[in-house]
Amino acid sequence: SYELTQPPSVSVSPGQTARITCSGDALPKKYAYWYQQKSGQAPILVIYEDKKRPPGIPERFSGSSSGTMATLTISGAQVEDEADYYCYSIDNSGDRAFGGGTKLTVL
Amino acid sequence: QVQLQESGPGLVKPSETLSLTCDVSGGSISNYYWNWIRQSPGKGLEWIAYIYYSGTTKYNPSLKSRVTISVDTSKNQFSLKLNSVTAADTAVYYCAREVSGSLAGSWYFDLWGRGTLVTVSS
Repeated sequence: SYELTQPPSVSVSPGQTARITCSGDALPKKYAYWYQQKSGQAPILVIYEDKKRPPGIPERFSGSSSGTMATLTISGAQVEDEADYYCYSIDNSGDRAFGGGTKLTVL
Repeated sequence: QVQLQESGPGLVKPSETLSLTCDVSGGSISNYYWNWIRQSPGKGLEWIAYIYYSGTTKYNPSLKSRVTISVDTSKNQFSLKLNSVTAADTAVYYCAREVSGSLAGSWYFDLWGRGTLVTVSS
């Protein structure tokens, strides 16, 4: 099955920029999405189609994708952004897949 | 406002079948793809399967031999069956709606249930 690779953890101080990467062989031709999951809650979508923000998501969240790597950037990370972040995509056969998740610590 | 609610036994014995249902309220189940996704304790998200309201299905290759997903449009619900369970199937199981994005080939989960914990233990 399709694999998306993320770093297990990223740590920044409040106000710094956090970058979380996601690599996958199909990403050059498939969109990347990013979900935020806080403890005990269902995931919520923060970036779709590589770089678009759903309504209600703060502007400090942005996305980009180049080649086999997608990146979620949180500019001026806040304490409330501390969460697990999962990239998501679909491979060439239509199988859905999540990355392993990245724990973002902001302190 | 559309809401999803998972239901089913919270405890299943090893080798038995896990059965869950997702009730869709506040909107129609028609014209959407419906998914099951799980998360083992302390682990990441794993997509299990989807079903279109008309019955078209797709399964995660790693689980395909043990999974069946079905839909009942008259009850506005869809279901998951996972057979021959082991402790490795202990997880929070989420149902989720999948929608198409603004660009061709874009599909993502826009609505999730709160999840239900299923423990496999004797």
